Amino acid sequence: DAGVTQSPTHLIKTRGQHVTLRCSPISGHKSVSWYQQVLGQGPQFIFQYYEKEERGRGNFPDRFSARQFPNYSSELNVNALLLGDSALYLCASSFGAAGVYNSPLHFGNGTRLTVT
Amino acid sequence: EDKVVQSPLSLVVHEGDTVTLNCSYEVTNFRSLLWYKQEKKAPTFLFMLTSSGIEKKSGRLSSILDKKELFSILNITATQTGDSAIYLCAVELFDNNAGNMLTFGGGTRLMVKP
Repeated sequence: DAGVTQSPTHLIKTRGQHVTLRCSPISGHKSVSWYQQVLGQGPQFIFQYYEKEERGRGNFPDRFSARQFPNYSSELNVNALLLGDSALYLCASSFGAAGVYNSPLHFGNGTRLTVT
Repeated sequence: EDKVVQSPLSLVVHEGDTVTLNCSYEVTNFRSLLWYKQEKKAPTFLFMLTSSGIEKKSGRLSSILDKKELFSILNITATQTGDSAIYLCAVELFDNNAGNMLTFGGGTRLMVKP
């Protein structure tokens, strides 16, 4: 079975640009979550989508947005990039809402974003 | 403010040693605690704990949760070089704005030397 897939794997952008990151969940999973992991720290929650609706939003500015498509894949968009947005962006999927009962999150390999 | 704290920050051991990793938490609306192993990129799921005092085991790894004292431990026995990784503890909680979300600790970096 294919796991969570993310694209691209690496990306270099300049301050002020915008970026779109993509994620395909495990087949049958309806929930997609996005996390930002800065080097040396644990991942931080950005968004959760379940059945194509936003179910949760972490403490990130409005420059960050996301959506989920009918096939349950998802995009994360970041506008007006700042140097501090450089991080590993992780997508995770689960069958139900995150971590409920026997539905833990399964992570993709992430997109390494570097903002110069 | 919800927080998850892991200790130690890093650990160096030799093959065959036993290690104990700690995770303490202070959160509202606790739902579950999860352990992940992160080698290079994707954190891989190890355990999910919801009930106090019930040990979960998978091979040489085991974990237990204490909901009264608000901590969990992850034990690895007979360590191997392949156990070298960052171990992440995460607490699932319900937040009015964020819904169900995971709050992660900073991780413990384990290095196992041959």
